[in-house]
Amino acid sequence: EPEVTQTPSHQVTQMGQEVILRCVPISNHLYFYWYRQILGQKVEFLVSFYNNEISEKSEIFDDQFSVERPDGSNFTLKIRSTKLEDSAMYFCASSVSTGQHSGANVLTFGAGSRLTVL
Amino acid sequence: AQKITQTQPGMFVQEKEAVTLDCTYDTSDPSYGLFWYKQPSSGEMIFLIYQGSYDQQNATEGRYSLNFQKARKSANLVISASQLGDSAMYFCVLGPEGGKLIFGQGTELSVKP
Repeated sequence: EPEVTQTPSHQVTQMGQEVILRCVPISNHLYFYWYRQILGQKVEFLVSFYNNEISEKSEIFDDQFSVERPDGSNFTLKIRSTKLEDSAMYFCASSVSTGQHSGANVLTFGAGSRLTVL
Repeated sequence: AQKITQTQPGMFVQEKEAVTLDCTYDTSDPSYGLFWYKQPSSGEMIFLIYQGSYDQQNATEGRYSLNFQKARKSANLVISASQLGDSAMYFCVLGPEGGKLIFGQGTELSVKP
């Protein structure tokens, strides 16, 4: 069964360092997403990406965050200068469509990348 | 504003019994979807079941069924014949048409042998 692959599974970094989280979405999917889950809290939307540009972003996704699809397979989330509060599980997800007109937007999630900022 | 509420932080169920996980939502969109995802202790997010707002029948997927009551804005997940492997966190998720998913707080289900 096709899956979304995320690397690394766990990264520990010092505050202020740059971090890049990588994702390989399912090959025929067109929409890509990043969500995050701070320990013990809700899963929160960060950003959605389609046709090589951001289609929607949350207030969490400030100038410290960026996304990129550098080639035909990878989708990356970069945090420019990490803060303690960036410690979380980051989930990449992809979907065939946004579900417009049907309401169905079934996202396939990766296993997550746990980021620990010290 | 869109909102999704899961009022049960934790639930216990005996193996082989059925369990209902509650979920209520609020949205002004006429077209939307409701999803349930399972998150085991390993951390991945697994899609379980989907219900469209215009679907006439309640969704079913194997042992999972979604009790959709549109007028009450509820979308409860029913797991029949619970198994030990069902122990996990369960998230009810609202998907506005074409928009980002909104997750509930989650319900941690523990299945007792």
